[in-house]
Amino acid sequence: KAGVTQTPRYLIKTRGQQVTLSCSPISGHRSVSWYQQTPGQGLQFLFEYFSETQRNKGNFPGRFSGRQFSNSRSEMNVSTLELGDSALYLCASSLPTSGAEEQFFGPGTRLTVL
Amino acid sequence: GDSVTQMEGPVTLSEEAFLTINCTYTATGYPSLFWYVQYPGEGLQLLLKATKADDKGSNKGFEATYRKETTSFHLEKGSVQVSDSAVYFCALRNSNFGNEKLTFGTGTRLTIIP
Repeated sequence: KAGVTQTPRYLIKTRGQQVTLSCSPISGHRSVSWYQQTPGQGLQFLFEYFSETQRNKGNFPGRFSGRQFSNSRSEMNVSTLELGDSALYLCASSLPTSGAEEQFFGPGTRLTVL
Repeated sequence: GDSVTQMEGPVTLSEEAFLTINCTYTATGYPSLFWYVQYPGEGLQLLLKATKADDKGSNKGFEATYRKETTSFHLEKGSVQVSDSAVYFCALRNSNFGNEKLTFGTGTRLTIIP
């Protein structure tokens, strides 16, 4: 079974631009979560989508948004990029059927904002 | 809100040494607890989990016991190997269906010297 895939793996943008990151979950998984990883703030939850609906949201500004398609693939968008948005963006997928289901992480997209 | 406090790193040990990485948590309800590992350039992999008090999670020689009385989930391994060098994250999730959000500790970088 193929794992979680994220594209692109690396991205360089300049301040003020916008960016779209993509995540394809494991086949059959309906929940996709996004996390931002930075040296200073660690791993922070962005949002979670389940059956095309945003079900949970972290404490990030409205510049961060996402969506999920009917095939469970998800995208996240960051508009008006700031230097502080440079980070590794990880997505994770799960079934889910209970609160203890494992979340499977992709390799991440490394975003650099210049 | 939920939080995880993790032993500060980095930690450097000699091969075959005993490893302990401390993790304590604050949460409402009855969370599930996890240890994830991140190797260089990769996403997170689930190392082990425990879903209720006194459960012991184990995998690849690593163990952690869910201690509700001390709100702890310390990671241990009896004899570490060079291949265990990685960053380790303690995490929790409140076990309600519909909540996939993981709350992570800051991570502990472990380096094993031959």
